[in-house]
Amino acid sequence: AQKVTQAQTEISVVEKEDVTLDCVYETRDTTYYLFWYKQPPSGELVFLIRRNSFDEQNEISGRYSWNFQKSTSSFNFTITASQVVDSAVYFCALSEAGGTTGANSKLTFGKGITLSVRP
Amino acid sequence: KAGVTQTPRYLIKTRGQQVTLSCSPISGHRSVSWYQQTPGQGLQFLFEYFSETQRNKGNFPGRFSGRQFSNSRSEMNVSTLELGDSALYLCASSPTGHRTLINYGYTFGSGTRLTVV
Repeated sequence: AQKVTQAQTEISVVEKEDVTLDCVYETRDTTYYLFWYKQPPSGELVFLIRRNSFDEQNEISGRYSWNFQKSTSSFNFTITASQVVDSAVYFCALSEAGGTTGANSKLTFGKGITLSVRP
Repeated sequence: KAGVTQTPRYLIKTRGQQVTLSCSPISGHRSVSWYQQTPGQGLQFLFEYFSETQRNKGNFPGRFSGRQFSNSRSEMNVSTLELGDSALYLCASSPTGHRTLINYGYTFGSGTRLTVV
């Protein structure tokens, strides 16, 4: 069974601080996908990144960066120089390859991390 | 292009009633998934439809059902509502192919917030 653990529940930082959101996953599949989503107060889940299990390269997108380490089953997310607009709930999610039924099997989400960035 | 559209945005129902929620995916997306979000259980997968067929199902009672139409629009229905069904229901669409191993990710709508009283 697949599982995603986001041990941090709430993080509060002051603007311009760097912050890292942790994500640890469990899966028996060798082919899987990892995602990060942001949920602002409006409720919509905003896609941030997708990473497949064969690509361990770290990725940087502006102030956002992701560190994928299969050896520790972790997919951590760092926001550099945080801003008030980064305040939201952040979810890490896992999707195993669909096997015989197709690629888009279910997303298993972590419980989310509430990030508050204070001015 | 237009995103995933869910209607209605808010809904208040009474215990025992039934409710139907609607989701219009991004044009060209054929896969539609539904998720329930509650403070206690978090985000949980309900089901996924592809080409009008349920392709995957989560661990929810039979009171939760769905369907997909030929234009990929999807509806989910909850019968005999219980207080615990109060939640944000999110729909996600994906540009998937059939039996492809590539997961292109999911675009979510803003959700329907259902309150059962």
